[in-house]
Amino acid sequence: AQTVTQSQPEMSVQEAETVTLSCTYDTSESDYYLFWYKQPPSRQMILVIRQEAYKQQNATENRFSVNFQKAAKSFSLKISDSQLGDAAMYFCAWGPYGNKLVFGAGTILRVKS
Amino acid sequence: GAVVSQHPSWVICKSGTSVKIECRSLDFQATTMFWYRQFPKQSLMLMATSNEGSKATYEQGVEKDKFLINHASLTLSTLTVTSAHPEDSSFYICSARVRQDEAFFGQGTRLTVV
Repeated sequence: AQTVTQSQPEMSVQEAETVTLSCTYDTSESDYYLFWYKQPPSRQMILVIRQEAYKQQNATENRFSVNFQKAAKSFSLKISDSQLGDAAMYFCAWGPYGNKLVFGAGTILRVKS
Repeated sequence: GAVVSQHPSWVICKSGTSVKIECRSLDFQATTMFWYRQFPKQSLMLMATSNEGSKATYEQGVEKDKFLINHASLTLSTLTVTSAHPEDSSFYICSARVRQDEAFFGQGTRLTVV
């Protein structure tokens, strides 16, 4: 069965600093997507960044970037220049094309001013 | 981006009653919807996959008679919690995989059974 593991229940970062959230996954499939979703206190799921497995180049979205290591099945999220609005629960998710997503346990990110 | 509208956003019901949660795709047709359950500060756990015009597929351990799913049209999927009990209190979220590279989520429904 496919699993997604986030080993950091909580992380803290100083405003304007950089933080990395870790994620590993296990699958035998070759075609899939990986995602990072943010869930603020409103609990609305917000897509942060996505990575297609066959693309070697790491995805970036403004201050957010990933380190995708397919062989190691690792998909970490780096947040640069952290802002107070980045404070939320972050979920790593795996999903084959067009199918359900499997989520990790989540990491609570706290941003200190 | 695609919009998934979930209603109600919160509901309180008495133990033993049934509650219906609606999930609508506003600007696209969703042949498949996914229903998740989330406890406080925990992950999203898939409950079932809702398929338009056919029976839902439930994950192992999910009681299909308690969590009735109907997907009668391409824009509406419903989850009915029947004979609700306090242990059914949770946050329920629907989702549609609109494209290969993104899933869109409803706003979620906070259910409290008293």
